[in-house]
Amino acid sequence: GAVVSQHPSWVICKSGTSVKIECRSLDFQATTMFWYRQFPKQSLMLMATSNEGSKATYEQGVEKDKFLINHASLTLSTLTVTSAHPEDSSFYICSALHPGRVEKLFFGSGTQLSVL
Amino acid sequence: AQTVTQSQPEMSVQEAETVTLSCTYDTSESDYYLFWYKQPPSRQMILVIRQEAYKQQNATENRFSVNFQKAAKSFSLKISDSQLGDAAMYFCAIKAAGNKLTFGGGTRVLVKP
Repeated sequence: GAVVSQHPSWVICKSGTSVKIECRSLDFQATTMFWYRQFPKQSLMLMATSNEGSKATYEQGVEKDKFLINHASLTLSTLTVTSAHPEDSSFYICSALHPGRVEKLFFGSGTQLSVL
Repeated sequence: AQTVTQSQPEMSVQEAETVTLSCTYDTSESDYYLFWYKQPPSRQMILVIRQEAYKQQNATENRFSVNFQKAAKSFSLKISDSQLGDAAMYFCAIKAAGNKLTFGGGTRVLVKP
C-alpha cells in the first residue's frame, strides 16, 4: 500500500517557540493532504486541507495564522505551529489523498506535541 | 456538512466471540464512502473496511463485516471471532465531496481473554 511518513513522531518545545511537522507521501504524488488534531481520548478533528501550489483551506475555528500550512511540492506538506502554547499540546495526524485510489486516504503515524 | 455518531463509548467482548459496533451518519450527498478505522495504542490509523454508498452489498474483510442500511443511515461493524489484537479504538467515518473525512467519536473495544 501507499506510504505516508510523518516527522517528528514526538516533540517537546518551550512556550512561545514554533514547531514544524512534516508529512511526506513516499511512493505517490499527493496534490491534497489533510491535517487532523486529536486530543486525548477524543476523535480526530480536521484542521485544514492542504493543496499543492495553493493556499490551505482551514476549517471553521482553526486559526490560520497559528497553524501555518505549506504544500510546496507534490510529496510534502508541512504544518508549523507558531508561538506554541500549552493548549496547543495535542496529537497531530496528516493524511494524503492518492490520485489513483481516491476511495482511500493514507495516514501518517502522527506527531505528539507537548508544549511546556 | 456531514456528521457521524457512535453511541457506544466502550464495548467489551470475550475472545473468540462477536461484537457489533454502531454508527449512524448524516449527509446530504448522494455519493459518499463509509469507513471503519482502527486506532491501536500506537495511534496509527488503520483502515479496517470501507463501503461505497452506491453498493447495496455489505462489505466484508475476513473477520470484519458491515451492515449498511442506507435509508436508515446506519453503518455498523461486526467483528467475529474476536482476538486480543482487536483491542483498540474504532472510528466510523464518512468521506463525501471534497474528500474530507468526518469521524465519529469512537468506540473503545476491550477483548477479554
